[in-house]
Amino acid sequence: DAGVTQSPTHLIKTRGQQVTLRCSPKSGHDTVSWYQQALGQGPQFIFQYYEEEERQRGNFPDRFSGHQFPNYSSELNVNALLLGDSALYLCASSLGFQGAKNGYTFGSGTRLTVV
Amino acid sequence: GNSVTQMEGPVTLSEEAFLTINCTYTATGYPSLFWYVQYPGEGLQLLLKATKADDKGSNKGFEATYRKETTSFHLEKGSVQVSDSAVYFCALTRTDSWGKLQFGAGTQVVVTP
Repeated sequence: DAGVTQSPTHLIKTRGQQVTLRCSPKSGHDTVSWYQQALGQGPQFIFQYYEEEERQRGNFPDRFSGHQFPNYSSELNVNALLLGDSALYLCASSLGFQGAKNGYTFGSGTRLTVV
Repeated sequence: GNSVTQMEGPVTLSEEAFLTINCTYTATGYPSLFWYVQYPGEGLQLLLKATKADDKGSNKGFEATYRKETTSFHLEKGSVQVSDSAVYFCALTRTDSWGKLQFGAGTQVVVTP
């Protein structure tokens, strides 16, 4: 049973460019959340998708946007990249809102480096 | 707002030593509490959880008890192994907030042979 799959694993982009990260949730899960983890820090919540809608958003600018597809997979888009966007981006999935009580399944992340 | 505070690392231990990582939280209502572990170069894995006061979560020899009176969820293991070397994150969710996880800053644990 595949867990959460993220692609690509590593990415290098130039300031000002745009990037798209992808996530496939664990089989049977329909809710996807995205987190940003800067080096040496805890993950910070970006947003959560359920039924193809953004249900909750963290304290991130509009440069960060996302999408959820009918097969529950999700994309995270970041426009006008800044050096400070360099981080590990983690995708987490759950069934409905059971993650709030049962915890989430995380992917291994995408390491984004902005130069 | 909600917040999680963990003891700073790195925590360096010898194999078979006793491990404690302190975690306290601030939250309204009745949050669920979690410990996640991150091994080098990997994502996060759920280690254990507790959803109400006095619940004890346990897994792989690790334990943590949800203490509402002290707003704490300290992680303990009686005898650590080199393979327990990782970064440990305490986190909480509120069931009325669509399950957004609020993490602590993480505590690095280094176990030496």
